[in-house]
Amino acid sequence: SQKIEQNSEALNIQEGKTATLTCNYTNYSPAYLQWYRQDPGRGPVFLLLIRENEKEKRKERLKVTFDTTLKQSLFHITASQPADSATYLCALDHAGNTGKLIFGQGTTLQVKP
Amino acid sequence: DADVTQTPRNRITKTGKRIMLECSQTKGHDRMYWYRQDPGLGLRLIYYSFDVKDINKGEISDGYSVSRQAQAKFSLSLESAIPNQTALYFCATSDPNPRGDTQYFGPGTRLTVL
Repeated sequence: SQKIEQNSEALNIQEGKTATLTCNYTNYSPAYLQWYRQDPGRGPVFLLLIRENEKEKRKERLKVTFDTTLKQSLFHITASQPADSATYLCALDHAGNTGKLIFGQGTTLQVKP
Repeated sequence: DADVTQTPRNRITKTGKRIMLECSQTKGHDRMYWYRQDPGLGLRLIYYSFDVKDINKGEISDGYSVSRQAQAKFSLSLESAIPNQTALYFCATSDPNPRGDTQYFGPGTRLTVL
């Protein structure tokens, strides 16, 4: 079955540094992969989507890469700020591109001033 | 106003009680979803509906039922609540997009079953 893994350990970095979060998946080749941000007690918010034929996507300080050979996506936040502290969820499309998503368990990022 | 709303936001109930969680959306999306989130387990899909007449089970539907009353409304029921259904519940919507659906989430309902 499809499996998606994110680093369960929290990532602690200093303000101004680049945060890099990892999402690995197995047993599937998704048509696209998404990243969401979730703040405590709130619903996830969509950030970026990258398709299988795209290597990289950028949005302001955010960058996502998608390596279908390694079955991995990297999510980067450059010039990180304390306001970037949150849990970041990776999601990939369910088999058959039905619109359903499978979510990773998320990685919590803490940016210290 | 929020595009996806959930009621109630918090609920404490007792084992064996029937409860309903409600979700409404103003985004005009056809697709709606119910997830539960537990610490360390991420979001897991309970049920989903791609239109008013189309309802499907997700990976953890046992103990739950749903009703799609209209395009904008999708309710989740726990017929006889049990303590391991204590979790954070989210409703989400999306519109079919051949380039990939993105989902829009409600604020969540924190449910505690004693």
